Amino acid sequence: EPEVTQTPSHQVTQMGQEVILRCVPISNHLYFYWYRQILGQKVEFLVSFYNNEISEKSEIFDDQFSVERPDGSNFTLKIRSTKLEDSAMYFCASRRDREGGYTFGSGTRLTVV
Amino acid sequence: QKEVEQNSGPLSVPEGAIASLNCTYSDRVSQSFFWYRQYSGKSPELIMSIYSNGDKEDGRFTAQLNKASQYVSLLIRDSQPSDSATYLCAVKPDDKIIFGKGTRLHILP
Repeated sequence: EPEVTQTPSHQVTQMGQEVILRCVPISNHLYFYWYRQILGQKVEFLVSFYNNEISEKSEIFDDQFSVERPDGSNFTLKIRSTKLEDSAMYFCASRRDREGGYTFGSGTRLTVV
Repeated sequence: QKEVEQNSGPLSVPEGAIASLNCTYSDRVSQSFFWYRQYSGKSPELIMSIYSNGDKEDGRFTAQLNKASQYVSLLIRDSQPSDSATYLCAVKPDDKIIFGKGTRLHILP
């Protein structure tokens, strides 16, 4: 069964450092998303991406965040200057068409110290 | 503010019984509804999607949708210990999906 692949599974970084979280969506999917889940809280929408541009972003997705699809297969989330409150599980998701359910990757646990 | 409300639980159900999970949502324009299962420390896994009023069955799972009441439910028949997880209700008012906080389900052996 096709999978959404995320790397790394766990990243520890110092406050103020830049991190890049990587995702390989399912190959025939056209819509891509990043979500995050702070420990014990709900899964929150960050950003959606379609046709090589951001289609929607949440209030969480401020100037410290950016997304890129550099080569037609990878989909990355960059946090420029990490803060303690960025510690969370980050999930990448993709779907083939506008109406289908999302397939989530296994997540990257980001710990900012 | 678009909200998805779920009872956080835990909901304890004996093995073999029916587990009933409920969800209400605030945004009337939502047309697509999903149930995800999330094991601790893992990613959400899609188990059911429903788009029109009524019931939709898939194996031991039945999703029910009532758009007039803005209510979605999930029934799990013949509950198994492996069904113990957090169940996330999600609605799609626009391009993104919005999750509820989830209901923790505990199946008692």
